[in-house]
Amino acid sequence: GESVGLHLPTLSVQEGDNSIINCAYSNSASDYFIWYKQESGKGPQFIIDIRSNMDKRQGQRVTVLLNKTVKHLSLQIAATQPGDSAVYFCAENISQAGTALIFGKGTTLSVSS
Amino acid sequence: ETGVTQSPTHLIKTRGQQVTLRCSSQSGHNTVSWYQQALGQGPQFIFQYYREEENGRGNFPPRFSGLQFPNYSSELNVNALELDDSALYLCASSLAGRAGYGYTFGSGTRLTVV
Repeated sequence: GESVGLHLPTLSVQEGDNSIINCAYSNSASDYFIWYKQESGKGPQFIIDIRSNMDKRQGQRVTVLLNKTVKHLSLQIAATQPGDSAVYFCAENISQAGTALIFGKGTTLSVSS
Repeated sequence: ETGVTQSPTHLIKTRGQQVTLRCSSQSGHNTVSWYQQALGQGPQFIFQYYREEENGRGNFPPRFSGLQFPNYSSELNVNALELDDSALYLCASSLAGRAGYGYTFGSGTRLTVV
């Protein structure tokens, strides 16, 4: 079964709102987590990553939070734009086991203007 | 710097047939990973190739096989196609040991088995 999953299959927001996309993972051995954005007809595109020795990491308009106690991570997108509309996946990796990624099912973010 | 290119972009095959999908890795990358993405699902790891050898495999049967060539490009072969093999097949290239940020995905090959 899936070891990484997202809480909501879809999320609809207004342009300018902040978006929060959640993900739960079950493998406590995972030590590296990545958020990907996938637009229609394209492959996943790296957004931001975080290692298990951190609980927060910020990028441009995006923030990833990691809560190892409850095995949960989230992606926050500030001032969401129509171009942010896509499917978002979290993925986990056990770095000592290689570079294989385990993906969840994804959340479809729809941004209306 | 060229990205990852996959061919063909779309393919229709009949159940029982064999298929070969191709991937050219990004310049400077020496590792290729293949993923299967069923409709509405996240990608699932099939296997990875490094130095022309399989270097890690997911939960896929032996009829899924691959090759990596000296120029680091790769092929995914699927024998005895089944209807459930219909999916988007993604290739990702990277430098050895680099996951996540180090991965570059192609746009995939959409395989339909009828």
